[in-house]
Amino acid sequence: NAGVTQTPKFQVLKTGQSMTLQCAQDMNHEYMSWYRQDPGMGLRLIHYSVGAGITDQGEVPNGYNVSRSTTEDFPLRLLSAAPSQTSVYFCASSFRRTGGYGYTFGSGTRLTVV
Amino acid sequence: DAKTTQPTSMDCAEGRAANLPCNHSTISGNEYVYWYRQIHSQGPQYIIHGLKNNETNEMASLIITEDRKSSTLILPHATLRDTAVYYCIAPTQGGSEKLVFGKGTKLTVNP
Repeated sequence: NAGVTQTPKFQVLKTGQSMTLQCAQDMNHEYMSWYRQDPGMGLRLIHYSVGAGITDQGEVPNGYNVSRSTTEDFPLRLLSAAPSQTSVYFCASSFRRTGGYGYTFGSGTRLTVV
Repeated sequence: DAKTTQPTSMDCAEGRAANLPCNHSTISGNEYVYWYRQIHSQGPQYIIHGLKNNETNEMASLIITEDRKSSTLILPHATLRDTAVYYCIAPTQGGSEKLVFGKGTKLTVNP
């Protein structure tokens, strides 16, 4: 298993550009989430999904769109990049289990908006 | 999520046990307690979770008080590689689908 794969690892965007951060997992996990982490700060939840076709907003959803057309993929779209979106973005996935289950995180995408 | 309170930072000597406390006095009966850690700028790593009983795995032990208002994560023999930010999380909404991270505890293991 490759686990949770995020691409690209690094990206520089100009203000106003759009792009999609890719996230794929090969563990057949139902749950997937996107987080951002600003320098010296904790992780903040952007969007999450409990299964294909189902998404919901987290703490900081503005400026981001998600979709979940397959179990494996959960892309994050930046509609019009702003310098405030400079951050490290982490994708995570987990099984849905009655007794709980831990999330597996990707290695992150480091995004700079200039 | 149930509110959790953790110390901002802790120190531990290499080879000694590291005991990281977490208060979650508003936790409800069906809310699990999860522990994650983040080493430097890597993605967070799941450590352990529990509901009522104490739990142990290859990484750590989790001790939950009988009233479930607090818990302690124990790293039995801390190494320098255990230096990280440790997060205690008690997700709501009936499951672990929505994890909200707090500020965590910065654990520094000293040689």
